[in-house]
Amino acid sequence: EPEVTQTPSHQVTQMGQEVILRCVPISNHLYFYWYRQILGQKVEFLVSFYNNEISEKSEIFDDQFSVERPDGSNFTLKIRSTKLEDSAMYFCASSEATASYEQYFGPGTRLTVT
Amino acid sequence: GQNIDQPTEMTATEGAIVQINCTYQTSGFNGLFWYQQHAGEAPTFLSYNVLDGLEEKGRFSSFLSRSKGYSYLLLKELQMKDSASYLCAVRGSFSGTYKYIFGTGTRLKVLA
Repeated sequence: EPEVTQTPSHQVTQMGQEVILRCVPISNHLYFYWYRQILGQKVEFLVSFYNNEISEKSEIFDDQFSVERPDGSNFTLKIRSTKLEDSAMYFCASSEATASYEQYFGPGTRLTVT
Repeated sequence: GQNIDQPTEMTATEGAIVQINCTYQTSGFNGLFWYQQHAGEAPTFLSYNVLDGLEEKGRFSSFLSRSKGYSYLLLKELQMKDSASYLCAVRGSFSGTYKYIFGTGTRLKVLA
């Protein structure tokens, strides 16, 4: 069964450093998403991406964040200058289409900022 | 503003039926999702409702009333493996753009 994969599974970084989280969505999916979940808290939507453009983003997704689809398979989330409060599990998801379609989540990358 | 409310915890017995409620306030409603999340794992999609009524999928059903801002997830024939958090999420518009808002989740414990 096709699945979304994410690397690394765990990333430790120092405050102020840049990190890139990587995702490989399901191959025939067209819509891609990033979410985060701070330990013990609710899932928060960051951004959705379609046709090489951001479609929707939340207020969390400020200038420190960016997304890119550098090739036909990868989808990345970059945090330019990490803060302590960026420590969270980051989930990538993909879907065939938007809104009503099932979003398949990857296993997540746990980001720890020290 | 936008808000989603669901109970924090519920307990039920194996083989029983449980109903998890979710109420929401949002503008520009464009669908409600239910996800299952086991501890330490990613959410997995259970259901999607955009029109009023009941959607059934095996042991799981989800109901929506848009006028009441209300949904429920019904789990039948509970199994031990159903012990997990159940997340209600709404796609709504805010300041002209759509985004997904999640509730804090309902932690369901299924007892033998």
